[in-house]
Amino acid sequence: DAKTTQPNSMESNEEEPVHLPCNHSTISGTDYIHWYRQLPSQGPEYVIHGLTSNVNNRMASLAIAEDRKSSTLILHRATLRDAAVYYCIRGAGGSQGNLIFGKGTKLSVKP
Amino acid sequence: DTGVSQDPRHKITKRGQNVTFRCDPISEHNRLYWYRQTLGQGPEFLTYFQNEAQLEKSRLLSDRFSAERPKGSFSTLEIQRTEQGDSAMYLCASSPGANTGELFFGEGSRLTVL
Repeated sequence: DAKTTQPNSMESNEEEPVHLPCNHSTISGTDYIHWYRQLPSQGPEYVIHGLTSNVNNRMASLAIAEDRKSSTLILHRATLRDAAVYYCIRGAGGSQGNLIFGKGTKLSVKP
Repeated sequence: DTGVSQDPRHKITKRGQNVTFRCDPISEHNRLYWYRQTLGQGPEFLTYFQNEAQLEKSRLLSDRFSAERPKGSFSTLEIQRTEQGDSAMYLCASSPGANTGELFFGEGSRLTVL
């Protein structure tokens, strides 16, 4: 049970922002929200994670709803190299090894 | 390259044979994880180690599967009496420790059981 819901696929144009949604309506108060992405033939790559506040790093931004039942991963300017499967994951902060991946969102980026 | 290293990258075996995969984590990462990924699915958690101690095992890890991390550095995942359903990508990841939120994955070992 992945406990998160994401669209199966999304498309974006190169150099435009991308907003990848995720629903996690049963999230508990101590669960973090993690995002990973997986390029073809590679292992998953960490993107960002957060608990309550919005988070920014060099790769992306994470916007977390006030009720924490949903979040959005924001890629500010999509590039062709951002084409990947993006996984939104609920994870307990103290045992983040047991990350339960769903099927993720396959992002296609058009030139 | 100082990332997570896995060996072999590809393994083809016949049903009933035993196979072993090795994972070398990033130096000084004390947590090491194993995941399995089948085509079109996200990775599934199998087990993880804190140093040499195996702290958690998924029920997916049947008695034909065994993982070790004897000196708290590299780890091995052995599958005995392989079945066709074991065909998958076996991913290893490491992290510096608790509450870091970031796992570093290797490129995986792809197993094909004929």
